[in-house]
Amino acid sequence: GDSVTQMEGPVTLSEEAFLTINCTYTATGYPSLFWYVQYPGEGLQLLLKATKADDKGSNKGFEATYRKETTSFHLEKGSVQVSDSAVYFCALIAMNNNAGNMLTFGGGTRLMVKP
Amino acid sequence: NAGVTQTPKFRILKIGQSMTLQCAQDMNHNYMYWYRQDPGMGLKLIYYSVGAGITDKGEVPNGYNVSRSTTEDFPLRLELAAPSQTSVYFCASSVGSGGGTDTQYFGPGTRLTVL
Repeated sequence: GDSVTQMEGPVTLSEEAFLTINCTYTATGYPSLFWYVQYPGEGLQLLLKATKADDKGSNKGFEATYRKETTSFHLEKGSVQVSDSAVYFCALIAMNNNAGNMLTFGGGTRLMVKP
Repeated sequence: NAGVTQTPKFRILKIGQSMTLQCAQDMNHNYMYWYRQDPGMGLKLIYYSVGAGITDKGEVPNGYNVSRSTTEDFPLRLELAAPSQTSVYFCASSVGSGGGTDTQYFGPGTRLTVL
């Protein structure tokens, strides 16, 4: 079945450091790929998405590129801030999904940014 | 717009008790979802609905029931609560566009403990 694997955390960085959170997926065809972020005590919110190969999603300084050849969708940010501290989830919607656009999630990566 | 709202925020149940988690959205979305999030894990789909009167099982439906009598509301019913149902429950909604590119909007979650 479809699955998403992302690096385990926590990831601890100093403010202004470069961030990479790795995400790889297994799915047939061309799924849509997403990064969701969960701030402490809140629900998930969409950070960015890409719906076809080589697309780059970007938002709030975060970027991720849909790489079909490596089945990856790594999240990057050039300079993190304390306010970026959160849990980040990589997710996909399968191309021929039979469950109402069900999201398949990775396990989440906790990011802690220190001043 | 309030977006997706959930009640209650927290609840402690005894084994064998029942309860209903409430979810409402005011975005006129067709699709609604219930996920559970276990510690350190990604979210798993419990049930989903593609419109009023239509519901279907997700990945982990055992021990739960849902109904969708209106576009706005999608309650989740737990019958005979068990410790394995201790989790954080998230409701979500989306427009329901084809092609699997939907953005899902999440509520703030309900933290349930079964003792």
